[in-house]
Amino acid sequence: DVKVTQSSRYLVKRTGEKVFLECVQDMDHENMFWYRQDPGLGLRLIYFSYDVKMKEKGDIPEGYSVSREKKERFSLILESASTNQTSMYLCASSFPGTARNSRGEQFFGPGTRLTVL
Amino acid sequence: LAKTTQPISMDSYEGQEVNITCSHNNIATNDYITWYQQFPSQGPRFIIQGYKTKVTNEVASLFIPADRKSSTLSLPRVSLSDTAVYYCLVVGAAGNKLTFGGGTRVLVKP
Repeated sequence: DVKVTQSSRYLVKRTGEKVFLECVQDMDHENMFWYRQDPGLGLRLIYFSYDVKMKEKGDIPEGYSVSREKKERFSLILESASTNQTSMYLCASSFPGTARNSRGEQFFGPGTRLTVL
Repeated sequence: LAKTTQPISMDSYEGQEVNITCSHNNIATNDYITWYQQFPSQGPRFIIQGYKTKVTNEVASLFIPADRKSSTLSLPRVSLSDTAVYYCLVVGAAGNKLTFGGGTRVLVKP
């Protein structure tokens, strides 16, 4: 089974702190994604990466950056955490859409619930 | 990417069939329709995907009419454990970027 793991299930940080959220997948997927999920807003894409050292902005990249130094690992960085970044953060991975019959099949981790005080 | 519209919530009872309809009027020729399921405190899980007509797997069926402007996810004989949020997505040709809407919250009652 595909496994996507996230470094923490729960995290509490203070405003202004630098926050690192780590995601690791074990299926050699090229694509990796970071979403945030908020009540009433569904999942919103922050950044995604389709290869090592490659990244593309999603729908809400402001206040975030990412790093993909190894294929299996994708990090989300909050340079200076703010209270409006309190949210559930979900990481996902997939093969490229054109490489599989099932396009858009992403495998999600369990999520990190981040609280910024 | 085509925007999707689906009901906010639906209630059902154990053993019944649940049908969730999603509209995607602006779907493009190369787009696929994909459904995900999300349980509380978990990440979404892929359920089913289709392009046209009918697709069935061990979990659900997906019905897509000829004009492809809508689709219906059918969950046969639901149980309490099917209580979840169900998301309808339209996936573009590259199959990479997914846009999740608000989903449909399905509550299965005993």
